[in-house]
Amino acid sequence: GDSVTQMEGPVTLSEEAFLTINCTYTATGYPSLFWYVQYPGEGLQLLLKATKADDKGSNKGFEATYRKETTSFHLEKGSVQVSDSAVYFCALTTPSGSARQLTFGSGTQLTVLP
Amino acid sequence: GAVVSQHPSRVICKSGTSVKIECRSLDFQATTMFWYRQFPKQSLMLMATSNEGSKATYEQGVEKDKFLINHASLTLSTLTVTSAHPEDSSFYICSATRDTQYFGPGTRLTVL
Repeated sequence: GDSVTQMEGPVTLSEEAFLTINCTYTATGYPSLFWYVQYPGEGLQLLLKATKADDKGSNKGFEATYRKETTSFHLEKGSVQVSDSAVYFCALTTPSGSARQLTFGSGTQLTVLP
Repeated sequence: GAVVSQHPSRVICKSGTSVKIECRSLDFQATTMFWYRQFPKQSLMLMATSNEGSKATYEQGVEKDKFLINHASLTLSTLTVTSAHPEDSSFYICSATRDTQYFGPGTRLTVL
């Protein structure tokens, strides 16, 4: 079945440091890939997405490139801020059926220190 | 952007009572909504897929008689936790599907 493997956390960085959170996937067909962010006590917010190979999703300084050859969708940000502290989830969906059910990774807790 | 609301945001109840959680898509119609459960420091676990006008589809291991889902309109799905027990305490999150899934802010349920 489909699965998403995420870099285990927690990750602690100083402000303005470079961030990478690794994500690899296994899926039949051609999935769409997502990064979601969850701030403390809140639901999930879509951070970025990519729907086909070599697409780059970007938002709020975060980027991730859909790499079909390595089945990866690593999240990067050049300079993190304290406000980026949150849990980040990599996810995929395959176009089978109409529900477009999401498969989530385990989540990576990021803490950015001032 | 698409907005999904949940109500209540927090609820505390006594063991044996039932609790209803509402999920609404505020600015779009959603034929499909999803209900997730999240334990502390863990990922989201899909509980069920809620389809407007038909019965929900439950994931393996989720008791459909305990977690009643009703999707009566294109903008509202409800999850009722019946005869709640302390082990049902969790963070419940819904999502509604348009071009992608949009998530509600979650409901923290505490059963005493």
